[in-house]
Amino acid sequence: NAGVTQTPKFRILKIGQSMTLQCTQDMNHNYMYWYRQDPGMGLKLIYYSVGAGITDKGEVPNGYNVSRSTTEDFPLRLELAAPSQTSVYFCASSWDFQGGYTFGSGTRLTVV
Amino acid sequence: GQQLNQSPQSMFIQEGEDVSMNCTSSSIFNTWLWYKQDPGEGPVLLIALYKAGELTSNGRLTAQFGITRKDSFLNISASIPSDVGIYFCAGQPETSGSRLTFGEGTQLTVNP
Repeated sequence: NAGVTQTPKFRILKIGQSMTLQCTQDMNHNYMYWYRQDPGMGLKLIYYSVGAGITDKGEVPNGYNVSRSTTEDFPLRLELAAPSQTSVYFCASSWDFQGGYTFGSGTRLTVV
Repeated sequence: GQQLNQSPQSMFIQEGEDVSMNCTSSSIFNTWLWYKQDPGEGPVLLIALYKAGELTSNGRLTAQFGITRKDSFLNISASIPSDVGIYFCAGQPETSGSRLTFGEGTQLTVNP
């Protein structure tokens, strides 16, 4: 059982470049989330989705976009990368808001 | 949004010692969850609590949902080197449809 799969694991971007962080889950969860974790800090919610076709902003959405065309996939798009977006990004999924979230293993992004 | 105060921020202990950490909030929560994050990995769910006063164990780990529904603690008994990592509390506020709120984490170091 794969759970939540994130790709790539590592990426270095130049300022102003764009990229998409991929996230796929095989648990048929309706709810999916994107978090960022800065060094020594907790998790900050970027965007979330409660089902295909539905997305909403979290605490720190600026500079990011998401889409949810299928239940399985929830990609995160960075349009114009900035050094402040250097972080580790985690995707997660759950049955609902109350239950435990299953996290992916993260994407470590460096913007130089 | 809802705030969770997790303490301590970091702990340095000797192998074999017991560990205690807690989370508090000024608001009432319906659910408390405890996660562990190993270096370079995503958080993994350790224990989930759904009722006030609930005390749940998972091996050497014990967690409790506070009677006031505004706090929770996690105890680790007889610590071992593989307990090293960041421990996060998370709670679902009483407000219907609210997402989980995460604490800032407790960094645990275990010296052999």
